[in-house]
Amino acid sequence: SAVISQKPSRDICQRGTSLTIQCQVDSQVTMMFWYRQQPGQSLTLIATANQGSEATYESGFVIDKFPISRPNLTFSTLTVSNMSPEDSSIYLCSVEQAGAGGELFFGEGSRLTVL
Amino acid sequence: GENVEQHPSTLSVQEGDSAVIKCTYSDSASNYFPWYKQELGKRPQLIIDIRSNVGEKKDQRIAVTLNKTAKHFSLHITETQPEDSAVYFCAASWGNYGQNFVFGPGTRLSVLP
Repeated sequence: SAVISQKPSRDICQRGTSLTIQCQVDSQVTMMFWYRQQPGQSLTLIATANQGSEATYESGFVIDKFPISRPNLTFSTLTVSNMSPEDSSIYLCSVEQAGAGGELFFGEGSRLTVL
Repeated sequence: GENVEQHPSTLSVQEGDSAVIKCTYSDSASNYFPWYKQELGKRPQLIIDIRSNVGEKKDQRIAVTLNKTAKHFSLHITETQPEDSAVYFCAASWGNYGQNFVFGPGTRLSVLP
């Protein structure tokens, strides 16, 4: 199974600032996914990141708020911009490993608290 | 788009009893139905999945059933143990799976010793 490392694991941020979350995978993957999990809630897909092209955002999420980079097949970043307390969530990086038949593997998540 | 509902939202059972969680989906094109377990403070992890060409799948104490006609699928856990306590998420997906997952709202299962 894919090993996914996320940094930071948690952070406390001030309103109006931005934070970049890094996701590193131990194998090359075509697509990487960024999810948000608000406190006590389910998993909501923010965007799909493909190497060499712009990320595809889901309804309700925009590039200006959540810019994504995907410089190669093993790494991606998600930035949460101009944060407000409503952005306090766990942000999870996920990949679908080739040959796994659709199984998603998740990173440990980055728990952001915005004051 | 796809909509996945999940019931119950919370479930408490005595150790050794069975637990059943049910999900319904709206899009008949969905063809892959995984179940994820998320322990407190941990990442979601796949515990079992089923595809639309199969009606039932079992893995030791865990089983999943799928009714395509009624568009619902269920997770069955037998002989529950305290370590089964977690939040369980169902999901439905179609086509290129990874980018088309829709997760249910989750069920918090508590197994009481």
